[in-house]
Amino acid sequence: NAGVTQTPKFQVLKTGQSMTLQCAQDMNHEYMSWYRQDPGMGLRLIHYSVGAGITDQGEVPNGYNVSRSTTEDFPLRLLSAAPSQTSVYFCASRPPPGGSTEAFFGQGTRLTVV
Amino acid sequence: AQSVTQLGSHVSVSEGALVLLRCNYSSSVPPYLFWYVQYPNQGLQLLLKYTSAATLVKGINGFEAEFKKSETSFHLTKPSAHMSDAAEYFCAVSDGGATNKLIFGTGTLLAVQP
Repeated sequence: NAGVTQTPKFQVLKTGQSMTLQCAQDMNHEYMSWYRQDPGMGLRLIHYSVGAGITDQGEVPNGYNVSRSTTEDFPLRLLSAAPSQTSVYFCASRPPPGGSTEAFFGQGTRLTVV
Repeated sequence: AQSVTQLGSHVSVSEGALVLLRCNYSSSVPPYLFWYVQYPNQGLQLLLKYTSAATLVKGINGFEAEFKKSETSFHLTKPSAHMSDAAEYFCAVSDGGATNKLIFGTGTLLAVQP
């Protein structure tokens, strides 16, 4: 099993460009989430999904879109990149029932918006 | 809404000394609590978790944490620090409800001095 795979690992964008951060898991987990990590702020939840076709907003959803068409994939789209979106992004998945189960994390995508 | 507070964004200990990293939580329902560790330029990995089975939880690498409901705390300890323990540590809470969101604290960076 590869676990949670994120691509790309590094990305530089210009302000206003759009891009998609990819996340795939091969563990058949129902729950998937996207976080951003910024110095001194820990990990903040952007969007999450409790199953294919079901997504919802987390703490900091503005400027990001998600969709979940399959159990395996949970891409994060930046519609019009801004310097404030410079961050390290982590995707995570959890098996059911979710509450008491640990989250498995990808290695992260380091995004710089110039 | 659930939240966690980690007291002390930076903690420095000498090798062989006690490690104590503090975490207090807020939750309207019995919580599930987690400690994760992040080594430089890596994703997060689980150290230990509390799921109501036992208040004293033992994790990997000699770490343990005690759930104290009266103090709403879940502090992480290790009797004797090793150089390899230098990393960032995150406390997280999940309510196990329909959303199963996992909410993180702001993290504590542990430095171990020789």
